[in-house]
Amino acid sequence: DGGITQSPKYLFRKEGQNVTLSCEQNLNHDAMYWYRQDPGQGLRLIYYSHIVNDFQKGDIAEGYSVSREKKESFPLTVTSAQKNPTAFYLCASSIVSTLNQPQHFGDGTRLSIL
Amino acid sequence: QKEVEQNSGPLSVPEGAIASLNCTYSDRGSQSFFWYRQYSGKSPELIMFIYSNGDKEDGRFTAQLNKASQYVSLLIRDSQPSDSATYLCAVNGGSSNTGKLIFGQGTTLQVKP
Repeated sequence: DGGITQSPKYLFRKEGQNVTLSCEQNLNHDAMYWYRQDPGQGLRLIYYSHIVNDFQKGDIAEGYSVSREKKESFPLTVTSAQKNPTAFYLCASSIVSTLNQPQHFGDGTRLSIL
Repeated sequence: QKEVEQNSGPLSVPEGAIASLNCTYSDRGSQSFFWYRQYSGKSPELIMFIYSNGDKEDGRFTAQLNKASQYVSLLIRDSQPSDSATYLCAVNGGSSNTGKLIFGQGTTLQVKP
């Protein structure tokens, strides 16, 4: 079945550690996005990519990094510079990056600090 | 002023009633509007989208858009306990036209049996 797969479902980070969240889609979507959701809050955009080998910062990119080496994959690294990483991380994709296309989400990764 | 505003609720309605969820947005250039449903602990699920002024119906759901007043609403008819969730309004990035969505904080709906 086509969809967006995020892994792992739960992740724990130690002090000073970088961790990488995986996002893979087999929908042949061009655009991919990473969001962060804190309890009782809406989604905030971290990074997005409209095409392979290109990505843009969202509203809260500090402390995060991404790569887009393949159309299907858009991993997010939470670096040690992100001082408050505990959140629900959501990856989304859409057919094209123009304004009328809805975004579809993976199941998310919950990141906590040990 | 927040770019996309929703009343956080909770909005409580009895089973079988109509639930009305509202959302206002600040960017007049916005052209695409989306409603997502998010169950507790789960990821958002797209339920409706609307681009033109007026109403759009899909089963028990109706999205309403009024660009002049900059609001979009979601009506849920014959509400069921399974509709209890947080409903997120999302608006496209407006004048920048980058495909970015701006999300409201969500309205929690409780449907009581």
